[in-house]
Parts: sequence; C-alpha cells; structure tokens
Amino acid sequence: NAGVTQTPKFQVLKTGQSMTLQCAQDMNHEYMSWYRQDPGMGLRLIHYSVGAGITDQGEVPNGYNVSRSTTEDFPLRLLSAAPSQTSVYFCASSYDSGGTYEQYFGPGTRLTVT
Amino acid sequence: AQSVTQLGSHVSVSEGALVLLRCNYSSSVPPYLFWYVQYPNQGLQLLLKYTSAATLVKGINGFEAEFKKSETSFHLTKPSAHMSDAAEYFCAVSLPHTGRRALTFGSGTRLQVQP
Repeated sequence: NAGVTQTPKFQVLKTGQSMTLQCAQDMNHEYMSWYRQDPGMGLRLIHYSVGAGITDQGEVPNGYNVSRSTTEDFPLRLLSAAPSQTSVYFCASSYDSGGTYEQYFGPGTRLTVT
Repeated sequence: AQSVTQLGSHVSVSEGALVLLRCNYSSSVPPYLFWYVQYPNQGLQLLLKYTSAATLVKGINGFEAEFKKSETSFHLTKPSAHMSDAAEYFCAVSLPHTGRRALTFGSGTRLQVQP
C-alpha cells in the first residue's frame, strides 16, 4: 500500500492564481480530510468528506473548494490564491478502527503564495 | 466544542533524561486523545491513542501517556530521551459518537534533545 499520497510536494503561486492540490489513498478509507499547518497553530481542518459525493466544511474553509467523486481521491482547490494561504497542507484518511477513526496523514504539500 | 492546550512550545532535555510533554483538553463529553510526532519536513505519525480502555497507554518508540479525567490531561512521557526523539509533538482530540471524525490539534511542542 502506498497509503496517502499528495502532489505536488512544493508549489509557488502568484496572488490570484488557482491550483489543485491532489490527494489519493489506496486503503479504501471512507473518511478523508484536509488540514493546513501554520507555525504555532497546530493543524486546522479545512474540509472533510465522509464518503464519495459528501463533503463538509471544517474550521477554515474560506478560499478552498473540495469535491469527492471517488473513494480514493480528494483534491483541494485554491480558487484565487492569497499570501494568507501560504502554509503546509496535509491530507488525511481514516477508517473505523473500533470507533476510534485513526487518521493516516500524507507527506504534505508546502505552498508559498507571493 | 473541544479544545487542546499544549503547555510549552519548546522543551529541551538532555539525552537520557525524562521527557514530559503536557497536554490538557476541554470537552463536554469523554474524548478520544492522540499524540502525533512530526519529524522535520515529514507528515504526522501516530505515537499512541486513548480510546476509553486502559488509562495508561503505551505507544511506539518507548513513549506512553496517561489519561487523567480529573485533571483533563493526557501528558506524554518517555523515561530516557534519545537524540532521535527530537521532533515536534502534537496532541489531538476527537469526539466519538458524534460522527465527526476530524481531529482538533494543539499548537505543538518542539522537543530538543541535547547531547
């Protein structure tokens, strides 16, 4: 199993550009989520999905879109990049491990918006 | 709503000394609690988790944590630090039985191990 994979690893965008961060998992997990990590703030939830076709907002959803057309993929779209979106983005997936929903994280995408 | 507080953004210990990283949570219902470790430029790796079974939880790499409901704490310990333990550690909480699987993270504690 590759686990949770994310592409690209690094990206530089100019303000106003759009892009999609890719996330895929091969563990058949129904739940997937996106977090952003900023210094001194831990990880904050952007969007999540409880299954194909179902998504919902997390703590910091503004400026981001998601969709889930398959179990495996959960892309995150930045509609019009802003410097405030400079961050490290992590995708995670989870399954029901006796009710604990243990989460598996991808390696992250480091995004810089200039 | 639940929240997580990690006391001390930086902790420095000598190699061989006790490691103690503090985590307190606030939750209106009994939570599940997790500790994750992040090595430089990598993703997060699960160290251990508390899911309402034994209150003393043993994890990987010699770490353990004790759930203390009366203190709303879930501190992470390791008897003897190793240089390879230098990393950032995150405490996280989730609420079972709500259908919401997302984790709420603390702000992290960077552990430095001095030779």
